[in-house]
Formats: sequence, structure tokens, C-alpha cells
Amino acid sequence: DTGVSQNPRHKITKRGQNVTFRCDPISEHNRLYWYRQTLGQGPEFLTYFQNEAQLEKSRLLSDRFSAERPKGSFSTLEIQRTEQGDSAMYLCASSSTSMYGYTFGSGTRLTVV
Amino acid sequence: EDQVTQSPEALRLQEGESSSLNCSYTVSGLRGLFWYRQDPGKGPEFLFTLYSAGEEKEKERLKATLTKKESFLHITAPKPEDSATYLCAVRGDGGATNKLIFGTGTLLAVQP
Repeated sequence: DTGVSQNPRHKITKRGQNVTFRCDPISEHNRLYWYRQTLGQGPEFLTYFQNEAQLEKSRLLSDRFSAERPKGSFSTLEIQRTEQGDSAMYLCASSSTSMYGYTFGSGTRLTVV
Repeated sequence: EDQVTQSPEALRLQEGESSSLNCSYTVSGLRGLFWYRQDPGKGPEFLFTLYSAGEEKEKERLKATLTKKESFLHITAPKPEDSATYLCAVRGDGGATNKLIFGTGTLLAVQP
């Protein structure tokens, strides 16, 4: 197991287009998180899955954002009708129920032009 | 509302010059304080978790301590490879999840 994997690493899209990111967590981890980080800021919580259930969504997650985790394995984060303000690093992290800290992936850098 | 404040925002040290980074927090029922290291363009890398006041943890040149209101990350005789952004985060007992609330980080530059 090589850790949390995120694809793509970089994405440039035009305003108004839809984008989808993928996260493959550490295989034995049943908890999965999405965070967003802008330059000079710490990561901000977006949403959380335990197995396939989405248990919490931040108010930062507007209606244009949707996340899924089918079968409790990999997860996808989709942004519809992208806006320039969506430009950020999107980070995925995973953890098991027996630990409180979690492991982050390298992130997907989104640039909306 | 849970909140984390880190200081200073940026710190420049000479190689071998020891110093400390500060993390002040407000949280309802602390269930863990976390330190992460983040290199440019990469995700945060886990360093330490502290759970109760008085607890200390060490890893190489780093030592983290915790009081009821703040945590310190002490860096002893730093090397240029210690240059990174250091993030502090807390988990409280509010809500059904174990999401972390992060500070904005301290950007550390160690010059040879």
C-alpha cells in the first residue's frame, strides 16, 4: 500500500466546465475526508465519509459540489459549473476508526481560467 | 466554534538556531491536537498527535508539547531540510465526525 492516491495531480479548466477528482484511500481505512486549501491558508473541511455513507458536509460545499464513495472504497469529488473561486488544492485524507490522525494524499491542484 | 491560531506566520532561522512555533486553540472538549508538515505542492505529512495537557512527543529535531490552551513545536538545531510549512490542527468532541480544524500554518525557512 503506497498511501492515499489522488488523480489528477493538476487540472486546468475553463470557467463553467465540470471537473471530477478521484481519491483512492489506504485500503484498510474506512474513513475518508475531502479538504480544500488555498494559498497561505490551512486545509478547510469539505466532507466526510464513513464507509459509503456521507456523514457530514461543510457549508462550504455548495450545490455545485458533490462527492461519492461507492462501495466504501475510492471517492470522487465533482464540481459543476466551475468558477474562478474554485481554484485551490483539493486534498483527500483517510483514517481508520482506531486512530485519530489521518493520512493525506498529495492533492489535486485545480486552476479555473 | 473551534479555532486554531498559529504564530508566527513566517520564521527565518539560521542552520543550528533553535526556536519554537506556537499554536493557540479554542475547542469544546479536546480530542487531539495534531502537527503536520507540508512541503510546497504536497499534502500535509503527519508528525504528532497530543491528547492531554503535559504530554510531549519527540521526533528527530522536533518536540511537541501541549498545555490546556496552546501547543509548541520546538525545533532544535534545525537543518535546511526542515524548511516547510508547519500546520497545527485540533479535533473537538462536537459533532459526529472527527474532522480536524486547521490553523493557517507557520512557514519556516532554515538558511545554511
